[in-house]
Amino acid sequence: GAVVSQHPSRVICKSGTSVKIECRSLDFQATTMFWYRQFPKKSLMLMATSNEGSKATYEQGVEKDKFLINHASLTLSTLTVTSAHPEDSSFYICSAGGWGQGIDEQYFGPGTRLTVT
Amino acid sequence: RKEVEQDPGPFNVPEGATVAFNCTYSNSASQSFFWYRQDCRKEPKLLMSVYSSGNEDGRFTAQLNRASQYISLLIRDSKLSDSATYLCVENTNAGKSTFGDGTTLTVKP
Repeated sequence: GAVVSQHPSRVICKSGTSVKIECRSLDFQATTMFWYRQFPKKSLMLMATSNEGSKATYEQGVEKDKFLINHASLTLSTLTVTSAHPEDSSFYICSAGGWGQGIDEQYFGPGTRLTVT
Repeated sequence: RKEVEQDPGPFNVPEGATVAFNCTYSNSASQSFFWYRQDCRKEPKLLMSVYSSGNEDGRFTAQLNRASQYISLLIRDSKLSDSATYLCVENTNAGKSTFGDGTTLTVKP
């Protein structure tokens, strides 16, 4: 199947700093990528849909100025958590593929565990 | 009401047992459904797509009941390696998925 990578896999940062997470589709082009966050023992919550060459579409309740998304190419989307706070600590996962791109499944990146101290 | 609801479990079963999970969805316009498996601290991996006619892959059988708006996953002859969280997923709009909170399965020797 297709491969999606994420970097970094784990990051610890201090409150007030910004963290950038990269999501890459390694062997296919993705006009659309998705960013999720997952809290312990909870399922994935869609944060936003990243659209190549245009603005991201954010889900209700997700602050677009807090979570900056850039999808500059067909293989790379980035999520920047700005002015991070401890409550932003979570597992962030990206995905690409899916029904809208003619691919039956979504391919998930391995996730990034963010800890804000 | 959640869009996708699952019994969180946990389901604790002995090796060799048959276990079934159900998942209900609220949007009758949902187009496609999937079961994903997620191991602790890992990303979800696709287990099965769910078709109206049912889908079987080895020990796993998935079924969709549109009239009652639920999806099921049956695991036969459980293995220790089946221990994981199983996520029910619906696609309502192109490329946008809604996940259930997951059902945790523990298979014990």
